[in-house]
Amino acid sequence: EVQLVESGGGLVKPGGSLRLSCGVSGITLSIAWMNWFRQAPGKGLEWVGRIKGKPDGETTDYAAPVKGRFTISRDDSKDTLYLQMNSLKTEDTAVYYCAAEDSSNINDYWGQGTLVTVSS
Amino acid sequence: DIVMTQSPDSLPVSLGERATINCKSSQSVLYNSNNKNYLAWFQQKPGQPPKLLIYWASTRESGVPDRFSGSGSGTDFTLTISSLQAEDVAVYYCHQYYSTPYTFGQGTKLDIK
Repeated sequence: EVQLVESGGGLVKPGGSLRLSCGVSGITLSIAWMNWFRQAPGKGLEWVGRIKGKPDGETTDYAAPVKGRFTISRDDSKDTLYLQMNSLKTEDTAVYYCAAEDSSNINDYWGQGTLVTVSS
Repeated sequence: DIVMTQSPDSLPVSLGERATINCKSSQSVLYNSNNKNYLAWFQQKPGQPPKLLIYWASTRESGVPDRFSGSGSGTDFTLTISSLQAEDVAVYYCHQYYSTPYTFGQGTKLDIK
């Protein structure tokens, strides 16, 4: 059974940093394509970024609002995906979800999410 | 970026009646090399993550009741619930995975009339 468990959310001041983690089980993280999505309170779903699997070069791409501020990485030995968030803005306040993308680019497994609040 | 637009924003439906949600993409999400539409539908209930219902525009995810069906191709898609059950009250999102940035419709809130 595939399980994704996010952690690391919390309250941070504007301009601050936070690192989210996503513990992965039931899939081989090193070859998996993994995504981060977010959902602002009462709003819709937004893609944040993706990291490809090792065989595909582990390349990353990001949504325009976070490019240059957020970085996706992973530690395959710990079966953990990360989202490093720097220079946080109030508009980054959201529940952040990690998701696993299958070979057909479908994000069919999602974690429960972790809330990030950016406020002074 | 591919913009996804859903209609309606809100949909009240009586129990046992049909619910229909529409989704339009700003460009085709049909990949010609495999003739597949890179379009999915998600259901989200309060406090829960999105749940995949339909992918390839019309393929039901394992375990999803057969009252849920998807149709359409190219830029126009529909999610139909043939007979609304109380547990179907949720927000529904269409989603294109044709290209990054992956995008979603704004959501349709489905509730009981």
